Amino acid sequence: EAEVAQSPRYKITEKSQAVAFWCDPISGHATLYWYRQILGQGPELLVQFQDESVVDDSQLPKDRFSAERLKGVDSTLKIQPAELGDSAMYLCASSSSYEQYFGPGTRLTVT
Amino acid sequence: GENVEQHPSTLSVQEGDSAVIKCTYSDSASNYFPWYKQELGKRPQLIIDIRSNVGEKKDQRIAVTLNKTAKHFSLHITETQPEDSAVYFCAARYGNNRLAFGKGNQVVVIP
Repeated sequence: EAEVAQSPRYKITEKSQAVAFWCDPISGHATLYWYRQILGQGPELLVQFQDESVVDDSQLPKDRFSAERLKGVDSTLKIQPAELGDSAMYLCASSSSYEQYFGPGTRLTVT
Repeated sequence: GENVEQHPSTLSVQEGDSAVIKCTYSDSASNYFPWYKQELGKRPQLIIDIRSNVGEKKDQRIAVTLNKTAKHFSLHITETQPEDSAVYFCAARYGNNRLAFGKGNQVVVIP
């Protein structure tokens, strides 16, 4: 069964450093999402792509976060500079219709 | 924006009993309502979903019911087992296939 892949699984970084997360969606899924999940909360959407185009980035803190999906397949989410409040689980999901399937996530700890 | 609320926040049940989790949503235009199960340290896993053109859907021991007039939907787990212990998130679809998630319910099945 195809799954969404993410790397790294864990990342520890110091504040003010740059971090990047990678996501490979399920093959054929045109829609890709990046979510942030704080412990004890539900996932919150950061950015949504349809193929290589951004559909919604209204909740993305654009002063420090950026996301790209250049060829409409895999995607990278970057934070620069990282802040203590960015510590969270970053989840990627993909979809070809209504159903969204999540990757294992990247657990980010900012010290 | 879309608001999704889950009740109760924590639910403890004896093994073999039934568990019911209820969600309410705010956007009457929402037409798709998935439920995700998330075990500690793992990805959210889609377990069942329902579209607005039906009132109930069942898959083995789990079922989802939808009341569009009251804008709420519920997850029903029958004959609970220890492996059902997890956090369950409901969500509602709005806009460009965006999902708004609730804060999650911790379900504890007591052997």
